[in-house]
Amino acid sequence: AQSVTQLGSHVSVSEGALVLLRCNYSSSVPPYLFWYVQYPNQGLQLLLKYTSAATLVKGINGFEAEFKKSETSFHLTKPSAHMSDAAEYFCAVSENSASKIIFGSGTRLSIRP
Amino acid sequence: SAVISQKPSRDICQRGTSLTIQCQVDSQVTMMFWYRQQPGQSLTLIATANQGSEATYESGFVIDKFPISRPNLTFSTLTVSNMSPEDSSIYLCSVLPLAGLGNEQFFGPGTRLTVL
Repeated sequence: AQSVTQLGSHVSVSEGALVLLRCNYSSSVPPYLFWYVQYPNQGLQLLLKYTSAATLVKGINGFEAEFKKSETSFHLTKPSAHMSDAAEYFCAVSENSASKIIFGSGTRLSIRP
Repeated sequence: SAVISQKPSRDICQRGTSLTIQCQVDSQVTMMFWYRQQPGQSLTLIATANQGSEATYESGFVIDKFPISRPNLTFSTLTVSNMSPEDSSIYLCSVLPLAGLGNEQFFGPGTRLTVL
């Protein structure tokens, strides 16, 4: 069975600081990995996805994530946080291109002025 | 991409009643899923809606409580039956387009359900 674990239910950073949201996965097959963002009272939006191509994946809004097989990790980063980045972030995994997606527990990102 | 609409967008229901949520997509899709997001929680997959056959339910979810229909490639319904306050959640439909690459699922806006 596949699963993802997000370390830290709440992360707070200062505006302009580095954002690092951690995600570790468990999968018996090469996984597809995703980061989704959910802004307050809005739907889910795909930030980026890893599908066995380049290990460093660039997404929208300046976010990127690196797939590290040796560490079974897919951490999300952004060099400089902006107030508009405040949201809930979900890491997710699926087995292949036609299977269900399993979500992590989510990390709430707060940005301090 | 796929544009997904859900009806109703929100509802307040009485305990013991049932609510049917509709999910409509603007294009044919291979797979449709139903998720639940309880207050302050992550998304939990309820079931995969299969076109022309019974839905595939995840552990902890049963057909009697969450009957699902999918009569064609663009439409599905989820019914929350015999509701209790514990069913208060956001229910989301998601789809995998026919031409999807890398398994990018698109999510509907959700239906916010409050059970009194």
